[in-house]
Amino acid sequence: AQSVTQLDSQVPVFEEAPVELRCNYSSSVSVYLFWYVQYPNQGLQLLLKYLSGSTLVKGINGFEAEFNKSQTSFHLRKPSVHISDTAEYFCAVTLPGNKLTFGGGTRVLVKP
Amino acid sequence: AAGVIQSPRHLIKEKRETATLKCYPIPRHDTVYWYQQGPGQDPQFLISFYEKMQSDKGSIPDRFSAQQFSDYHSELNMSSLELGDSALYFCASSFVQREGPTDTQYFGPGTRLTVL
Repeated sequence: AQSVTQLDSQVPVFEEAPVELRCNYSSSVSVYLFWYVQYPNQGLQLLLKYLSGSTLVKGINGFEAEFNKSQTSFHLRKPSVHISDTAEYFCAVTLPGNKLTFGGGTRVLVKP
Repeated sequence: AAGVIQSPRHLIKEKRETATLKCYPIPRHDTVYWYQQGPGQDPQFLISFYEKMQSDKGSIPDRFSAQQFSDYHSELNMSSLELGDSALYFCASSFVQREGPTDTQYFGPGTRLTVL
């Protein structure tokens, strides 16, 4: 079985500062990795995904993530955040055609 | 682009009542997943359907049942509701790629169920 750990439950950050959200996973087989964002009172929106190929993945809204197999990590980064990036971010893993297993979420609060 | 549609968006029920949540997947998607997100929790997988057959089952209570219909929409039926069933229920849909890596799940806006 696979599991996901998001190391930070909350990350306060000032507007225009960089942010990194950490995600580690464990699995006995290769997995596929996703980051979803949930804005207040809304559903989950796909930010980016790693399936194969280049370990640096670029997503929407200026986010990117790097897959590191040796460290079993998939950290999410953005070089300069906006107020509108205030949301909860979920890292998730899945095997092909299978259910998503989510991490506990990281709440990002962008301050002016 | 068309997205996943869920109805109703909000639902208030009393304890021991029943509720039915509906999910309309993105056109041509053949797989539907249901997730439950409790207050302050991450989404937990309940059940999934591929081509109208149950494909996987998670931590879904016996009081809940679900099915996928011929038009690929899905319904989650919840009976004998309990206070602890209050949560946001998400439906996600995907298109199973037999030759590709994996199917990306696209989520609906959710149904917020409140049990009083």
